[in-house]
Amino acid sequence: DAKTTQPTSMDCAEGRAANLPCNHSTISGNEYVYWYRQIHSQGPQYIIHGLKNNETNEMASLIITEDRKSSTLILPHATLRDTAVYYCIVITGGATNKLIFGTGTLLAVQP
Amino acid sequence: GAVVSQHPSRVICKSGTSVKIECRSLDFQATTMFWYRQFPKQSLMLMATSNEGSKATYEQGVEKDKFLINHASLTLSTLTVTSAHPEDSSFYICSAREQAGGYGYTFGSGTRLTVV
Repeated sequence: DAKTTQPTSMDCAEGRAANLPCNHSTISGNEYVYWYRQIHSQGPQYIIHGLKNNETNEMASLIITEDRKSSTLILPHATLRDTAVYYCIVITGGATNKLIFGTGTLLAVQP
Repeated sequence: GAVVSQHPSRVICKSGTSVKIECRSLDFQATTMFWYRQFPKQSLMLMATSNEGSKATYEQGVEKDKFLINHASLTLSTLTVTSAHPEDSSFYICSAREQAGGYGYTFGSGTRLTVV
């Protein structure tokens, strides 16, 4: 599975959009981009995933560049409860494939 | 949506004893479940892949005789930490994915193990 690179930490003002980048320059054609987040001392929470098209759900939007080498997770109106570590993971779609976590981005939403 | 229940949420045990952690998929069947360990201020580290009806597959460096995994049904996997020592104190998390139609891997809420 392709490796991902994310900034270690980011700050965002409450109510503003949080844009979290992820670089996955070695991604292959059958690999999806998944985003999870982990609030302190809890299990990771699924946010969104995509293959090549931009995706949006009730939690966030995922923008994938045309060459698929990078993506951005957008939380449109960040709240204090969005403070968490956000993980970008690239993986093929098989049901038994393993999610391997990198170091993620610690997003701190400031009041 | 898919729910994974993990129990207990916290456990304290004495050094040398064994502890069992349960992971249940409540509203879906999971042929495969995953077990992770997380130390403070570190990322999740995959320990093993649990396969229903067969032996688990352990990641490199994880002792299979110390971390016993049993996946006896499509909704239950257990992790037993045998002869626990203080260095086994950690946050253990399980994950499962729906067989059909599911997209994300669903995680349990984790078990905080403290060995004293």
